Amino acid sequence: DAKTTQPTSMDCAEGRAANLPCNHSTISGNEYVYWYRQIHSQGPQYIIHGLKNNETNEMASLIITEDRKSSTLILPHATLRDTAVYYCIVRSFNDYKLSFGAGTTVTVRA
Amino acid sequence: DVKVTQSSRYLVKRTGEKVFLECVQDMDHENMFWYRQDPGLGLRLIYFSYDVKMKEKGDIPEGYSVSREKKERFSLILESASTNQTSMYLCASTPGTGSPYEQYFGPGTRLTVT
Repeated sequence: DAKTTQPTSMDCAEGRAANLPCNHSTISGNEYVYWYRQIHSQGPQYIIHGLKNNETNEMASLIITEDRKSSTLILPHATLRDTAVYYCIVRSFNDYKLSFGAGTTVTVRA
Repeated sequence: DVKVTQSSRYLVKRTGEKVFLECVQDMDHENMFWYRQDPGLGLRLIYFSYDVKMKEKGDIPEGYSVSREKKERFSLILESASTNQTSMYLCASTPGTGSPYEQYFGPGTRLTVT
């Protein structure tokens, strides 16, 4: 699986958009980009995934560059409850397991 | 909503005890997983099951066994608990193998072995 690189931490003001970058320069053609988050002392929560098109759901938007070497997760209106560690994962079609790296610790401040 | 529940949020056991961690999902998912999560080591797969009575080893199966007698229930067993098994244990389920199916996680069990 391709590895991902994320910033260690970032702060965001409540009500503003949070843009979380992820680099995955060695991604291959059949690998998807997934985002999960983990609020302190809870299990990971799926946010969104995509292959090459931009995706949006009720939680977030995922923007994938045309060359697929990087992506950005956008939380459109961050709330205090969005404070969590966010994990960007690249996973192939047949891969059944998840591997989380260190992720980005996002702190939303009032 | 998919719901994955785990039998305990916090558990304290003594070295050498046999420990059972239970996981139940209510969405008729075929696949279930047991992970452990440790600071600095990330999430590591212990075992997974793709059908009733079927199991496969993950990356770190030593010291663990699993049981899946019913589709909705997947148990992790520590035959003789040791202090290095102190960890956060996470159960997950998914309706199909591979992408694009996301995994749904339970709340986790924080196990301390003394």
